[in-house]
Formats: sequence, C-alpha cells, structure tokens
Amino acid sequence: AQSVTQLGSHVSVSEGALVLLRCNYSSSVPPYLFWYVQYPNQGLQLLLKYTSAATLVKGINGFEAEFKKSETSFHLTKPSAHMSDAAEYFCAVSDKYNQGGKLIFGQGTELSVKP
Amino acid sequence: DTEVTQTPKHLVMGMTNKKSLKCEQHMGHRAMYWYKQKAKKPPELMFVYSYEKLSINESVPSRFSPECPNSSLLNLHLHALQPEDSALYLCASSQDRQQIPYEQYFGPGTRLTVT
Repeated sequence: AQSVTQLGSHVSVSEGALVLLRCNYSSSVPPYLFWYVQYPNQGLQLLLKYTSAATLVKGINGFEAEFKKSETSFHLTKPSAHMSDAAEYFCAVSDKYNQGGKLIFGQGTELSVKP
Repeated sequence: DTEVTQTPKHLVMGMTNKKSLKCEQHMGHRAMYWYKQKAKKPPELMFVYSYEKLSINESVPSRFSPECPNSSLLNLHLHALQPEDSALYLCASSQDRQQIPYEQYFGPGTRLTVT
C-alpha cells in the first residue's frame, strides 16, 4: 500500500529564509507525486507534480521539489519565504496503476512565516 | 479555464433537513471527486466518478448520496446528517485515462455545519 509521511506538522521560518518542507513516500511502483497548498478557508491548489520526467520539478510561486528515489523523498523548497506563503501544505502520491487517480495525502505541514 | 466552482459556499442544516451541494467544471475533465476535510486534517476521499459512473465509494454512509448528471456537474445530496458530518466538502476534477494519474483541480469547498 502506498503512503506519504510529512515530517513536521508545523514549520516556522522568517521572511526571506529558506523554506524546506519534508515529504517521504512509500510505493511499490514508480509513484506520481504532488504538492498542494491550502490557504485558510480555501480549496487545494496544485503547486507542482512529479511524473517520472525530470527529478527536479519547478512549480508556481517559486517553489520546487526534488524527487530522490534512493531516499524515497520529495521535499519542497523555496529559497526565500514570503509572508504570503503562510498556509497548509500537503504532499500526495498516486500510482499510475490506480484507477481514478486516487490521491493518498500526507498529514500536512502548516507553514508560518515571521516578519 | 482551470476553475472548479462549488455552491453554496456555506451551509447550515439541521439533522432532519435535506440539502444538496453542487460542483461544476468546464475543463472537459471526465473524473470528478468528493472529499471531506476536517480542520487541520488532509482531505478524505468519499466518491469518485469516472465518465459519469461511480467508480469509487469509500464506504461512505448512505446519508451522503452522490450524483453525476453530466460530465460537467457533480452533486452531493445530504439527508439526516449528524453533527460530526460538519466539515469542509471539497470537489475536484481531473482528466481520466487508465494508468495515468493526472493532477486534480479542487474547488473552494462548501463549509457545512450540522446543528
């Protein structure tokens, strides 16, 4: 069975500092991986996705993630945090043999940005 | 247009009421999803429709009844709900081809309160 683990339910950074949100996955087949962001009282917005092409994936709002098969990781980074990045971030996995593209979400990481 | 719309935005209903949530997308997606999300938790999949047919029901109680009238619309009919059903209900859509898990696009959600 597939699963996703997000290390740290809450991460706090200063404005301008590096953002690093950790995601490790478990999958017996090559995974498709996603990062979503959820602002308060809103739906989820896709930040980026990995679908077995380039291992370094660039997304919206300056975020990127690197797929490391040897570490079964897909950590999300942003060089310089902005106040508007404060939100909940979810990592998700979906395997390509799963009909309907069911997403398995991690528990989420709340990002706080201090001025 | 990459928008999924949901109505209403907020809904308060009593335990004996019948109400419906509506979701619409015009991206030509043939897979549509209902999720339930409690505060500070990831979304939990409830139902998946593929080409207007119910393909996944995650053992959801029968007081929730989904309906997909056409490829653009998805409804969730609610009847005799319990206070613990209070949550954010999210709709999502994606392309749907076998063995290819496309990214899902989420609506803003309906905040449901059961009194």
